Amino acid sequence: KQEVTQIPAALSVPEGENLVLNCSFTDSAIYNLQWFRQDPGKGLTSLLLIQSSQREQTSGRLNASLDKSSGRSTLYIAASQPGDSATYLCAVTGNTPLVFGKGTRLSVIA
Amino acid sequence: SAVISQKPSRDICQRGTSLTIQCQVDSQVTMMFWYRQQPGQSLTLIATANQGSEATYESGFVIDKFPISRPNLTFSTLTVSNMSPEDSSIYLCSVEGDPNQPQHFGDGTRLSIL
Repeated sequence: KQEVTQIPAALSVPEGENLVLNCSFTDSAIYNLQWFRQDPGKGLTSLLLIQSSQREQTSGRLNASLDKSSGRSTLYIAASQPGDSATYLCAVTGNTPLVFGKGTRLSVIA
Repeated sequence: SAVISQKPSRDICQRGTSLTIQCQVDSQVTMMFWYRQQPGQSLTLIATANQGSEATYESGFVIDKFPISRPNLTFSTLTVSNMSPEDSSIYLCSVEGDPNQPQHFGDGTRLSIL
């Protein structure tokens, strides 16, 4: 059974700092990995999708990497802003629909 | 990307009652899913809503408690039946049109049971 773990559970950084969020999964037989953002009381916004054959994806200040063999992904956020404050969720899909981690709650302090 | 509308956005219900949540997509999609997010927890898949056939439920979820309809490729409903306080959660609809594209989510229905 696929399990997804995200570390840290919460993170607080000053504005402008670069940061890394970590995601690990137990079954490397994945089809793709997605990073989502969830604002309080809201649904999920898809940030990046990495196919299993890819190593990384970039969108603006966000860069996600995937090391399928080791079961790890990272989400790098450059020059963080207070508007980046949210919960970031990692999810993988393989033979099953998306399996989610518990998320990292990020606070960027102005 | 698909635009997903979920109704209602929130509700407060009495114990023992049922509530039906609607999910409307602005384009035809192959796959529609229903997730639950309990307070402080991540998302758990309830079921896959299949067009023209019975939904496929995940372990721990049953049709009598969470009946699902999917009459066409753009619409689905989830009913939470005989509600108890333990059903207080956010319920989210999600769609996937192409396995190589991101899966998208509605804004969710925040349900509180008194």
